[in-house]
Amino acid sequence: GQQLNQSPQSMFIQEGEDVSMNCTSSSIFNTWLWYKQDPGEGPVLLIALYKAGELTSNGRLTAQFGITRKDSFLNISASIPSDVGIYFCAGNYGGSQGNLIFGKGTKLSVKP
Amino acid sequence: DVKVTQSSRYLVKRTGEKVFLECVQDMDHENMFWYRQDPGLGLRLIYFSYDVKMKEKGDIPEGYSVSREKKERFSLILESASTNQTSMYLCASSSSWGEGYTFGSGTRLTVV
Repeated sequence: GQQLNQSPQSMFIQEGEDVSMNCTSSSIFNTWLWYKQDPGEGPVLLIALYKAGELTSNGRLTAQFGITRKDSFLNISASIPSDVGIYFCAGNYGGSQGNLIFGKGTKLSVKP
Repeated sequence: DVKVTQSSRYLVKRTGEKVFLECVQDMDHENMFWYRQDPGLGLRLIYFSYDVKMKEKGDIPEGYSVSREKKERFSLILESASTNQTSMYLCASSSSWGEGYTFGSGTRLTVV
C-alpha cells in the first residue's frame, strides 16, 4: 500500500539549533499533517496543510505543503529541550478509504 | 477541547487472556481508529469504524476484533492475548475523512 518516507529517522539537537525534517510520497496528497508525540503520550496535531505551496507556522514551527503535492517539510527554529519527542507526518491522498497515511516518525533527542 | 480517553494507561495481562481496551470520545466524531505503535514500525492501523456497528479491517487485524455499539465508544478486543501483542495501543477519532485525527494518551499493554 501507499507509504510515506519520513527522514531523518532520528536526530540529536542542541538547544538553540534549527531542525528540519521532511516526508515524501509517491502519490499526490490532498492534505499534509504534522504531529508530535511526547514520551508516553499520544500524538498531538501541530500543523495541518491543505493547499499546495501553503506555508503555515505554529510558534517556532513552520511546515510547508510541497508544490508537487508529494512532499512536506517541518522546520523547528531555535530548539528547546521540550522539543524532544517523535514527530510524525501524515497525509491523505484519497485512497485507503480516506484514511490518513502516517510516516514512521522522526525521533528528536537532546545531544548529551 | 476534543477529548479521546483510553481507559487504562498501563495493563499487564497473561498469555491466553481475553483483553478489552476501551476508548471513548466526546466530540460526536463519526470515525474511530485503533493503532498499535512499535519501535521502528511507526503507527499501524488495526481496525477502524465509520459508524455505529460498522467496522473495517486495517493493515494488521489478525488476532484482534472490535466493537462499536455506541457512537462515542470503540473497543479493541484481543481474543487470546499473546506476547507478540505487547505494544502501545492508540485510539483516535476524526469528524470526516482526510481531517486530522485526535489521539488518546495510549495504553501500554504487556502480555506475559
